Amino acid sequence: DTAVSQTPKYLVTQMGNDKSIKCEQNLGHDTMYWYKQDSKKFLKIMFSYNNKELIINETVPNRFSPKSPDKAHLNLHINSLELGDSAVYFCASSPRIAHTNYNEQFFGPGTRLTVL
Amino acid sequence: SQELEQSPQSLIVQEGKNLTINCTSSKTLYGLYWYKQKYGEGLIFLMMLQKGGEEKSHEKITAKLDEKKQQSSLHITASQPSHAGIYLCGAAHTGTASKLTFGTGTRLQVTL
Repeated sequence: DTAVSQTPKYLVTQMGNDKSIKCEQNLGHDTMYWYKQDSKKFLKIMFSYNNKELIINETVPNRFSPKSPDKAHLNLHINSLELGDSAVYFCASSPRIAHTNYNEQFFGPGTRLTVL
Repeated sequence: SQELEQSPQSLIVQEGKNLTINCTSSKTLYGLYWYKQKYGEGLIFLMMLQKGGEEKSHEKITAKLDEKKQQSSLHITASQPSHAGIYLCGAAHTGTASKLTFGTGTRLQVTL
């Protein structure tokens, strides 16, 4: 009964390749996110989707393209991978509670991407 | 500079000792979230603070949000090895709270 799941857990690939990371949540949440955590453990938001609609798009290279086929899934596709893309990528989801600032986010276990 | 700074960056304490981690925001906070990350794993939600002066506790962990709502502290009483990990504060800097900015993290080790 995993709440937020990501696949794969580890991804090792060569520079220049294209890869995808999948995320699924079974919590019925409306909002999903992708974060990148670098080697210094700094966690930074990349994208956020609410009900399949993009609502946050931070300064991320356009080689990164999120896709949300339905509100329970948010996949991340990365084209032409570079060495600097090596990091841990976390997916998260949160409920949208109207008229509040409440935004508890539930995180997946992370995908460790290594680009060689 | 970061919008959200945590201190200290790392901490080593002996089991049974108390400790405090601070999180300071350069902007007004609409919500402050504390998370814990075990090594190599995802983030686990600890607690959320919204109102200036608010204080919440969960087991031996207490978090406070100061009156001016730009700083929070996380206090652990009688630390145990199970408290080891990385503590991250996350801030909502807008009223819509759809985006969280995370701090730089504090790595806690608890020695026997």
